[in-house]
Amino acid sequence: AQSVAQPEDQVNVAEGNPLTVKCTYSVSGNPYLFWYVQYPNRGLQFLLKYITGDNLVKGSYGFEAEFNKSQTSFHLKKPSALVSDSALYFCAVRDDSGGGADGLTFGKGTHLIIQP
Amino acid sequence: ETGVTQTPRHLVMGMTNKKSLKCEQHLGHNAMYWYKQSAKKPLELMFVYNFKEQTENNSVPSRFSPECPNSSHLFLHLHTLQPEDSALYLCASSLSRGRGGELFFGEGSRLTVL
Repeated sequence: AQSVAQPEDQVNVAEGNPLTVKCTYSVSGNPYLFWYVQYPNRGLQFLLKYITGDNLVKGSYGFEAEFNKSQTSFHLKKPSALVSDSALYFCAVRDDSGGGADGLTFGKGTHLIIQP
Repeated sequence: ETGVTQTPRHLVMGMTNKKSLKCEQHLGHNAMYWYKQSAKKPLELMFVYNFKEQTENNSVPSRFSPECPNSSHLFLHLHTLQPEDSALYLCASSLSRGRGGELFFGEGSRLTVL
């Protein structure tokens, strides 16, 4: 079984400050990890993913995430937050076993609020 | 059009109605998914299709009936729903070669059951 935990329902950050949205995971094999963003009344947009290789992954809109195997974490980060980053963020995982068409397991989401 | 398109975007139905949600992807993918998004709950995977064949059904009640006539189209047929079925229903697609492929989501169909 696989699972994702996003321990914070909401994260508040001042504009221009660095932001971190936390994610921890549990899988039986090796993880494939993903971050998505959802704006109000919209679908989920893909931000970035970790498959293998460099633990620091860079994605869309200046976001990056760091894979930490020992802590089973994949925290989303951005050096300088924008008000337009305010949205709902989802972490997701899939393990590396089985076929290729399994769905992703998502966390419950974290509301990111950037204050001007 | 590109990406994943869902229709209708909004649907209101009574508990005795029959309606359908439609999803179409223009990405050349071969796997398609239905997810349910309810307030304050994680996204719930409902169904998975790979090359038109259903590969996953996560104990979804029979009042939800999926149909995948080809790799580009996915339907969710709805009948005798309950008010607790009100939610945002999200369709997604992906390439099924390898397990590192991300899912591409549509904008969702907001369903309200009266």
